[in-house]
Amino acid sequence: SQTIHQWPATLVQPVGSPLSLECTVEGTSNPNLYWYRQAAGRGLQLLFYSVGIGQISSEVPQNLSASRPQDRQFILSSKKLLLSDSGFYLCAWTRRANYGYTFGSGTRLTVV
Amino acid sequence: AQSVTQLDSQVPVFEEAPVELRCNYSSSVSVYLFWYVQYPNQGLQLLLKYLSGSTLVKGINGFEAEFNKSQTSFHLRKPSVHISDTAEYFCAVSGQGGSEKLVFGKGTKLTVNP
Repeated sequence: SQTIHQWPATLVQPVGSPLSLECTVEGTSNPNLYWYRQAAGRGLQLLFYSVGIGQISSEVPQNLSASRPQDRQFILSSKKLLLSDSGFYLCAWTRRANYGYTFGSGTRLTVV
Repeated sequence: AQSVTQLDSQVPVFEEAPVELRCNYSSSVSVYLFWYVQYPNQGLQLLLKYLSGSTLVKGINGFEAEFNKSQTSFHLRKPSVHISDTAEYFCAVSGQGGSEKLVFGKGTKLTVNP
């Protein structure tokens, strides 16, 4: 069966520090991968998605970047965190649109 | 492009009462529709989905939803809620294509009171 792993679960980082969040999928190949951010009262905001290795699409201009160095690995990064980067970050995957997405358990990032 | 409107940001109900969470969507193409549930500090879990066929879709935990194409709605219902149903619920839509992205509503916070 397919599983998705996301870590760390919680993270407290100072302003200006770098960020790296990792997401991996097991039990499938060539998944579509997604990074979402959830801020209080603002629903889910799609940040990046990837349909293959090295293929990254950005949905909104921001202080973050994403990479997909391997088929089932998706990384969210920042060189210098801002206070506004605080939020709950979710990784998700799917094979086809009608499958729906399977979400990871999320990372709670607090920038102080 | 698709969009989703969840008409209620918060819905308080008493235990064992029925509940309906409303969702309307907009799309110029045929769509797939989904409802997800999120418990505090957790990821989203798929409750149910509509792909085609019968407009009444049954999901996990006793939830069901009805697709209404003429009203572009996909409301979620449960005849009798439990305290454990307290969570945030998200409606989502995608176009019927191989790489179509899911578009989410802003969520409805369901609070079940004793």
